[in-house]
Amino acid sequence: EDQVTQSPEALRLQEGESSSLNCSYTVSGLRGLFWYRQDPGKGPEFLFTLYSAGEEKEKERLKATLTKKESFLHITAPKPEDSATYLCAVQAGRGYSTLTFGKGTMLLVSP
Amino acid sequence: DAGVIQSPRHEVTEMGQEVTLRCKPISGHNSLFWYRQTMMRGLELLIYFNNNVPIDDSGMPEDRFSAKMPNASFSTLKIQPSEPRDSAVYFCASTPGLAGVEQFFGPGTRLTVL
Repeated sequence: EDQVTQSPEALRLQEGESSSLNCSYTVSGLRGLFWYRQDPGKGPEFLFTLYSAGEEKEKERLKATLTKKESFLHITAPKPEDSATYLCAVQAGRGYSTLTFGKGTMLLVSP
Repeated sequence: DAGVIQSPRHEVTEMGQEVTLRCKPISGHNSLFWYRQTMMRGLELLIYFNNNVPIDDSGMPEDRFSAKMPNASFSTLKIQPSEPRDSAVYFCASTPGLAGVEQFFGPGTRLTVL
């Protein structure tokens, strides 16, 4: 069974204080690892897809990296508008296009 | 593009009543997914369709839950009879259907069963 574990569950940062969120996964045949952002009262919004170990992707203050066992979402000099829940999901070899989600990391950035 | 559309956005009902949630996927997307999100269990896949055909409904919790996709632009998730433990946010998502392609989520329906 595919498993995705995110840590920490919650993270509070001061504006400008860089940090990283972790996503550990156990799957059989990774097809892709996805990062989503979810604001309160809204659906998840796609951020990145990573396909193979060593791959990195960046968007503004966010950078996602992938190893064979985990992914990190690095947040550089965060701003209050980066406050959200960040979800990690994996798509594995079995199951057509289905995603298994972690429970997310709730990030709060204070001014 | 209007994105994935869900209705209603909020639903409050009493235990035992029938509830129907609706979803319109993004035009041209041929895969549709229904998820349920709770604090305890996170985001769980209930069922998904490809080309209007249900592919995997193993996530549907009980026979009280049913889903249909009569055409490429409409899907429903029905709960009959509803129970308080069904209270959650229900999301619909769609994708062009290729492996490795991201899913696009709707705004969700917040269901409260009293």
